[in-house]
Parts: sequence; structure tokens; C-alpha cells
Amino acid sequence: DQQVKQNSPSLSVQEGRISILNCDYTNSMFDYFLWYKKYPAEGPTFLISISSIKDKNEDGRFTVFLNKSAKHLSLHIVPSQPGDSAVYFCAASVRGSQGNLIFGKGTKLSVKP
Amino acid sequence: EAGVVQSPRYKIIEKKQPVAFWCNPISGHNTLYWYLQNLGQGPELLIRYENEEAVDDSQLPKDRFSAERLKGVDSTLKIQPAELGDSAVYLCASSSEGSDTEAFFGQGTRLTVV
Repeated sequence: DQQVKQNSPSLSVQEGRISILNCDYTNSMFDYFLWYKKYPAEGPTFLISISSIKDKNEDGRFTVFLNKSAKHLSLHIVPSQPGDSAVYFCAASVRGSQGNLIFGKGTKLSVKP
Repeated sequence: EAGVVQSPRYKIIEKKQPVAFWCNPISGHNTLYWYLQNLGQGPELLIRYENEEAVDDSQLPKDRFSAERLKGVDSTLKIQPAELGDSAVYLCASSSEGSDTEAFFGQGTRLTVV
């Protein structure tokens, strides 16, 4: 049973518009959430994180929103750029487990010029 | 500062042969992880080290997989014997102490078992 779910395998967005990537989780013990970005033939790179005591964290063009009651988080990228085209992984952990990250299957984002 | 370094980048072996992967984490990072990533899936944890101690190896198939981190720095992951289903990308990651720290990943080793 998947604890972290990314139900959209792919997303296509026009350059300059907003990209919204979604993630759902089932384990209510998760209290730290991260987004990773992965280009082909490279390892995942950290993008942005949020702890469960917050509902929003912003870093430049990237904003992560957390809705604990719905067990849902989303990543907003605005404006989207062609260089943002990659696979985005949502990950979650329980702080007491010292960072064992549970990953979703990923969403492939394509930003078209 | 150098990131997480893994070698080799690619490895092709015949089934039943042994194979080993090497990882050098970011300097000063006490925690080291080995993840497995199958095609179309997210990374799945195999083993986590805190310094030289394996604190979580519950997902490591111990009949054929082994890992070590003898001096608490670099680490090796071994498969013996390899099976066709072991074909995947093996990712190493490291992180520093603290509860809100992200893991930094290496480029991975793509293993193909034929």
C-alpha cells in the first residue's frame, strides 16, 4: 500500500503559466514533506520542503502548500520555464525516524515554449 | 564542495554474477542511505546508516544484498548473485544531523542484469 501518492504521471504546461503538482499521503505520522526534481540520468535534487507546523513555504518561483486535514500537499511553480521540465517526486518522513524518506512515483512535468 | 559521488555510473553483468557499488557521501554527513529506483517508480530505501551503524536495513534483501560502511564515511553495496529483477538504478544519498534536513543524492548507478 502506497503511503505517498502522486496520481498524475504527467503534466504539460505552457511556458509562463503556473504548474501545480499534487501529492497525497496516508500516514498521519508524517510531519516533514519534501519535493525533489530529477533530470534524466541524474540523481534527484532537493527543491523545497515544509514541516507539518506550517501550511505554506515559498522559495522564489516555488511554493509548497500543505493541507494536513486532507493529507494533501501541492507544489506550485510560477512562472513555469522550459528548464523546469523534469520528473518531480514528493517525499515524506516521520522526524523520529531520522529522515527515512518515503517517495511517490513522480510526476513528469513538460513545460512547452 | 563535492556532492555525493557514486561509481560506477553504469554496470552490465550476467545473471548470477556478483556486483558492487561504491558511494562517497558529502563530507561531514553522518547519515548515508542506499535507495533502489525501478523504472517509473520513486526511490525505495534499502538501508540507512548513522555513522558506521546500519540503523534501518529492514528493506534490504539479505539473502543476496549486503552493505558496509566500515569507517563511517564511504559505503559499498553488494549483490551476490545478481538476478534479472535487480536491474534498476541504485542511488546513494547522505544528510547531516537534524530532523529537518534534506537528503542529497548522487547520480546513481544504473545496473543491467542480462
